[in-house]
Amino acid sequence: SQQGEEDPQALSIQEGENATMNCSYKTSINNLQWYRQNSGRGLVHLILIRSNEREKHSGRLRVTLDTSKKSSSLLITASRAADTASYFCATGRVSNYQLIWGAGTKLIIKP
Amino acid sequence: DTAVSQTPKYLVTQMGNDKSIKCEQNLGHDTMYWYKQDSKKFLKIMFSYNNKELIINETVPNRFSPKSPDKAHLNLHINSLELGDSAVYFCASSHLTGQGEGEAFFGQGTRLTVV
Repeated sequence: SQQGEEDPQALSIQEGENATMNCSYKTSINNLQWYRQNSGRGLVHLILIRSNEREKHSGRLRVTLDTSKKSSSLLITASRAADTASYFCATGRVSNYQLIWGAGTKLIIKP
Repeated sequence: DTAVSQTPKYLVTQMGNDKSIKCEQNLGHDTMYWYKQDSKKFLKIMFSYNNKELIINETVPNRFSPKSPDKAHLNLHINSLELGDSAVYFCASSHLTGQGEGEAFFGQGTRLTVV
């Protein structure tokens, strides 16, 4: 079942702008992960943030996690055309051998 | 060098046929998955195997049967294919510690079209 919900469902911005995507979830988690899916390809892991962390950076990516609000955001700074893809969040729970996936945000970067 | 490889990449078949999709991972992971991604891009887990044992079996028709001959392989066999089975099927693997962690590595997907 889908636990995570991303918003917006679709986002179109100009190259060079920042893109922010949000993810909300319903139950307690151990970690939250973000993945990217280019059209026609498999998902690629971007970043993992644990439940005891509030913020994490990786290159142009910045992820925040607010466990009190059960939400996370993914910020991509200085967007590039190559960032055009769908972005998914997934949550992991203790003693649970699966990730619970959101529906994804489709990001389009206009040149 | 491909970490998770699945074959075939494309599969077009007629209703009522039986088909299989194969998946192999060379990452030494202990957990493998099958996901279905529909036309709206929703990603739904179908099955998960940990050390060759079925640990997740979501509500899917029993026409779908996974088989894990060893930890590196998880194949998906589908009987009596229906139009609604058309989707992209992804195999993935990870090393889950029971803490819910473990980056998932995905195959390139198999686009199944039932006509």
